[in-house]
Amino acid sequence: ETGVTQTPRHLVMGMTNKKSLKCEQHLGHNAMYWYKQSAKKPLELMFVYNFKEQTENNSVPSRFSPECPNSSHLFLHLHTLQPEDSALYLCASSQGDFPENYGYTFGSGTRLTVV
Amino acid sequence: AQSVTQPDIHITVSEGASLELRCNYSYGATPYLFWYVQSPGQGLQLLLKYFSGDTLVQGIKGFEAEFKRSQSSFNLRKPSVHWSDAAEYFCAVGAGAGNQFYFGTGTSLTVIP
Repeated sequence: ETGVTQTPRHLVMGMTNKKSLKCEQHLGHNAMYWYKQSAKKPLELMFVYNFKEQTENNSVPSRFSPECPNSSHLFLHLHTLQPEDSALYLCASSQGDFPENYGYTFGSGTRLTVV
Repeated sequence: AQSVTQPDIHITVSEGASLELRCNYSYGATPYLFWYVQSPGQGLQLLLKYFSGDTLVQGIKGFEAEFKRSQSSFNLRKPSVHWSDAAEYFCAVGAGAGNQFYFGTGTSLTVIP
């Protein structure tokens, strides 16, 4: 497989559930990201990992917990979510060494619905 | 602070007509600029990017964009639109160190026969 793969594609969970989103990239990139996409709002950067180290956490509530066990895998652990957390969650990767390599490769996203 | 404005929320064009999608940015230095396209239910795909050199950049699917520093703009163009171009288009500006980018709210393109 190539590119960035996200699973599951769709997820419905109750507010008391615990679930995880998975992202895998086969591009040899050194940085991975979680973005939240809500209707009519700009994409919101949630977390950034460079070389497996978290370098950004943009004031994301603690009910979202990222994990990056290696440079190819990224998880987003979810617990006690709220209905307003329903959105499309996008994973992206990039190779941030030189400007000509800048730019994300996105996965297809996980459509999350919190009920 | 960095920001991106896409003034047009929704644009409708006829198939075969030309297209221009507007993007204005706010950034203190020379920015890295990107255009992405998102089809329904999909992630974002990179169309083209500017980081230095020639201000007119060519991308995939017949798209091009022109960086105009004096106008803080990076408008996306296509001379003849195809029905398959109907999608959401996002402009993004690079924040420099850390390879992080800020996105606009997107422009939804409808193509009519």
